[in-house]
Amino acid sequence: DAGVIQSPRHEVTEMGQEVTLRCKPISGHDYLFWYRQTMMRGLELLIYFNNNVPIDDSGMPEDRFSAKMPNASFSTLKIQPSEPRDSAVYFCASSFETYGYTFGSGTRLTVV
Amino acid sequence: AQSVTQPDIHITVSEGASLELRCNYSYGATPYLFWYVQSPGQGLQLLLKYFSGDTLVQGIKGFEAEFKRSQSSFNLRKPSVHWSDAAEYFCAVGGTSYGKLTFGQGTILTVHP
Repeated sequence: DAGVIQSPRHEVTEMGQEVTLRCKPISGHDYLFWYRQTMMRGLELLIYFNNNVPIDDSGMPEDRFSAKMPNASFSTLKIQPSEPRDSAVYFCASSFETYGYTFGSGTRLTVV
Repeated sequence: AQSVTQPDIHITVSEGASLELRCNYSYGATPYLFWYVQSPGQGLQLLLKYFSGDTLVQGIKGFEAEFKRSQSSFNLRKPSVHWSDAAEYFCAVGGTSYGKLTFGQGTILTVHP
C-alpha cells in the first residue's frame, strides 16, 4: 500500500491567492483527518470526515478555510484567500477501526 | 475537554543511555493513548498504542510505555537509545482508536554520540 498521499509536498504562494491541498487516503479507511502543525500551536485538528461526511469542523480557523471529500479516495483543503499566518505544515491522516491512524508526509505551505 | 501535556520540550541523552519521555493526559472517560514519532520533514509514525488490558505496552523500535491511571500518565521509555532515535515525539489521547486525537506539544530528543 502506498500509504496516505498528499500533494503538493511544498507550496509557496502569495498572500491573497487560493491554495488547494490534496489528500488520497488509504483504500478502505473510512475516517479522514486534516491537521495543521505550527511551532506556536503544535498539531491542531482542523476537520475530519467519516464515510466522506464532515463530522467535526470546529477546528477550521475561519471561513477562508474549506474542506471537501467528494469520494472515498480524495479530499481537498482549500484556503481562499491565503494569508501569511496560514503558513504551516498540513497533514492528512486516515484511519479504520482498531488499525489507528496513518499520516501522510504533509504539505509545507508558505504564504509570502 | 481532552488535553495532553508533555512537560519536556527538549531532552538530550547520550547514545546507549536510557530514556523516559513524560506524558500526562486529561480525559473524561477511558482513554485511548498513543505515542508517535516524527523525523524532520516527515509525517508522524505510530510507535505504540494503549487501549485496555496490560498497562505496559510494547511498540516498535524497542520502545515501551506504561499507562498509570492514578497519575493520568503514559510515559514512553527505551532502555538504550540509538542515534537514529533523534526525532520529535508526540503523545496523543482519544476516545477511540480511529477518531479524533488531541496531541501534546511534542518533545524533541537529541542524542549525543
